[in-house]
Amino acid sequence: AQTVTQSQPEMSVQEAETVTLSCTYDTSESDYYLFWYKQPPSRQMILVIRQEAYKQQNATENRFSVNFQKAAKSFSLKISDSQLGDAAMYFCAIERGSQGNLIFGKGTKLSVKP
Amino acid sequence: KAGVTQTPRYLIKTRGQQVTLSCSPISGHRSVSWYQQTPGQGLQFLFEYFSETQRNKGNFPGRFSGRQFSNSRSEMNVSTLELGDSALYLCASSSATGSEEQYFGPGTRLTVT
Repeated sequence: AQTVTQSQPEMSVQEAETVTLSCTYDTSESDYYLFWYKQPPSRQMILVIRQEAYKQQNATENRFSVNFQKAAKSFSLKISDSQLGDAAMYFCAIERGSQGNLIFGKGTKLSVKP
Repeated sequence: KAGVTQTPRYLIKTRGQQVTLSCSPISGHRSVSWYQQTPGQGLQFLFEYFSETQRNKGNFPGRFSGRQFSNSRSEMNVSTLELGDSALYLCASSSATGSEEQYFGPGTRLTVT
């Protein structure tokens, strides 16, 4: 079975500062993908970043980057130069191959202070 | 391209009734997944359809069912509604050709009274 744990229910960051959201996972699969999704108050789930487990290089998307530690089964998200629009629930998720079955963590609520 | 659409956006039903939710995937996407989101249980996978076949199923009772049509549109049905079925139901589509990125719809908010 696959599990995802987000140990920080809530986080807060000052605008323009950097924040890191933690995520650990457990899987016995060798072929899997990791994701961070953002869900703002409007509820539309938006993909922030994805990482293929077989790639050692950490994924980056503009101000968003991940620290993927495969041996430790850790997948943290770093948001640089935080903006007010980054305020949302952030969910870490794992998917086994192309099974269309995302396993989500409980989420971290990120607040951004002006 | 138009995004994933879900209808209706809001629904109020009475305990014991049944409900059908609809999801239209992004054009060209053949895989549709359904998720239930509640404050207590978080996001839970219901099932996934690919080319009209259920490929994966989560741990939900048989009251929850779904289907996919030849145009990839999908429906999910919940029979004999219970109060605990009140949730946001999210649909996601993907090309399932190796990108594994799922694109979510806005969800259907179901309230069971």
